[in-house]
Amino acid sequence: GESVGLHLPTLSVQEGDNSIINCAYSNSASDYFIWYKQESGKGPQFIIDIRSNMDKRQGQRVTVLLNKTVKHLSLQIAATQPGDSAVYFCAENSGGGADGLTFGKGTHLIIQP
Amino acid sequence: ETGVTQTPRHLVMGMTNKKSLKCEQHLGHNAMYWYKQSAKKPLELMFVYSLEERVENNSVPSRFSPECPNSSHLFLHLHTLQPEDSALYLCASSQDGGQSSPLHFGNGTRLTVT
Repeated sequence: GESVGLHLPTLSVQEGDNSIINCAYSNSASDYFIWYKQESGKGPQFIIDIRSNMDKRQGQRVTVLLNKTVKHLSLQIAATQPGDSAVYFCAENSGGGADGLTFGKGTHLIIQP
Repeated sequence: ETGVTQTPRHLVMGMTNKKSLKCEQHLGHNAMYWYKQSAKKPLELMFVYSLEERVENNSVPSRFSPECPNSSHLFLHLHTLQPEDSALYLCASSQDGGQSSPLHFGNGTRLTVT
């Protein structure tokens, strides 16, 4: 079955608020995780990644948290803007060789004005 | 500019047609991928090429045939497709086969099979 999943298919937040998108994974052998953003009519765009030897990594307005104990990954977006509206995917490498990544179904983030 | 360019952006074809999707990456990566994205489903890996050799064929029907003539170009040849093959086909590239570096995606080809 699918080893990467998302808790909520749709998340609606007010502009300016912080957003948190969650992801659960089941493969304990996974050691590399990525968050992607996909806007309508475009391909997935890399946001931030994290390796399993880290618990937290920050980028510009985004933070990824990794909890290996409960196999949970989250993406925090600070001060959300209208341009943050998109579908967000988490992905893991599953530690299985050069066979790409395993993706979740995605969470649709909607920014309310 | 994503660094990965796919053509055409949209394609409508009949079930008896033969067409090809093209992908070109300008990032100097040595691995390239085809993914299929259908509504309400996770991205599905179809093919992986590393150093121009196919390393993964994820039980994809033979009506899809990939070709990788060099590390910068990837094709997906299509023939006698079915309506359920309608989807967004995404090409991606990576530096080290995707195990410790991100995949970079193109904007996809929206395929409709009539």
